[in-house]
Amino acid sequence: AQSVTQPDIHITVSEGASLELRCNYSYGATPYLFWYVQSPGQGLQLLLKYFSGDTLVQGIKGFEAEFKRSQSSFNLRKPSVHWSDAAEYFCAVAPTSGTYKYIFGTGTRLKVLA
Amino acid sequence: DVKVTQSSRYLVKRTGEKVFLECVQDMDHENMFWYRQDPGLGLRLIYFSYDVKMKEKGDIPEGYSVSREKKERFSLILESASTNQTSMYLCASSSPGLAGLSSYNEQFFGPGTRLTVL
Repeated sequence: AQSVTQPDIHITVSEGASLELRCNYSYGATPYLFWYVQSPGQGLQLLLKYFSGDTLVQGIKGFEAEFKRSQSSFNLRKPSVHWSDAAEYFCAVAPTSGTYKYIFGTGTRLKVLA
Repeated sequence: DVKVTQSSRYLVKRTGEKVFLECVQDMDHENMFWYRQDPGLGLRLIYFSYDVKMKEKGDIPEGYSVSREKKERFSLILESASTNQTSMYLCASSSPGLAGLSSYNEQFFGPGTRLTVL
C-alpha cells in the first residue's frame, strides 16, 4: 500500500542548531515529493518539491531536502534553525501521472528553544 | 499572487445542522480538494474534483458531499453535522499542467476553516 511515514511526531531544537526531519515513503515507483510547512492557525505552504534531476533540492526559508531512492527517503534539513521555524511540517507524495491525489504523512511538530 | 480563500476561518454549528464550507481559487486550476486535518492523523482527503461538475470520493467521504458548479468554486457540505466532524478543514487547488514541468501537480492551500460542532 502507498504510504508516507514521518517517524517523529515532535522535535525540539535550540535556536541556531541544525535540523533534520525524516520522511519515508512506500510507493510503486518514484513519486513526486513535497515538503509543506503549516504555521499555527494557517494553511499549508510549500517549502520545496522534487520532480526529477538533482537529488538535493533547495527550498524557501533556507530549507533543503535530499531524495535517496535506495532508502525511499526525502529528509528535510536546515543548517541553522530560527525561532520562526516553529511549525508543523508535512511530507507528501504524489503520482507522476494519473490522479492528482497526494498522500500526506502525519506531520512533525517542531518546537524551537530560545 | 496565487490565492485560495475559504469563506470562514472559524465556524460553530449545532448537531444536525446543514453546514456549507466554501472555497474559491483565482488560479484557473482544474483540480480542487477538500481535506480534514486532525491531530496525529495528518491530512485526510474527503473529496476532490478534477473538473466542473466532476467529483471523486477521497479516503473519508462519509457524512460529506461536495458541489462544483463553477471552476473557481468548490463547496463542502455536511448534510447533518455531528460532533465527530469537529475538525480543521483545508481546501486546495492544483493544475495538472504538463507532466515533467515544475508546476505539475503542486497543490496550493487555503488558510483553513476550524469547525466546531456542538
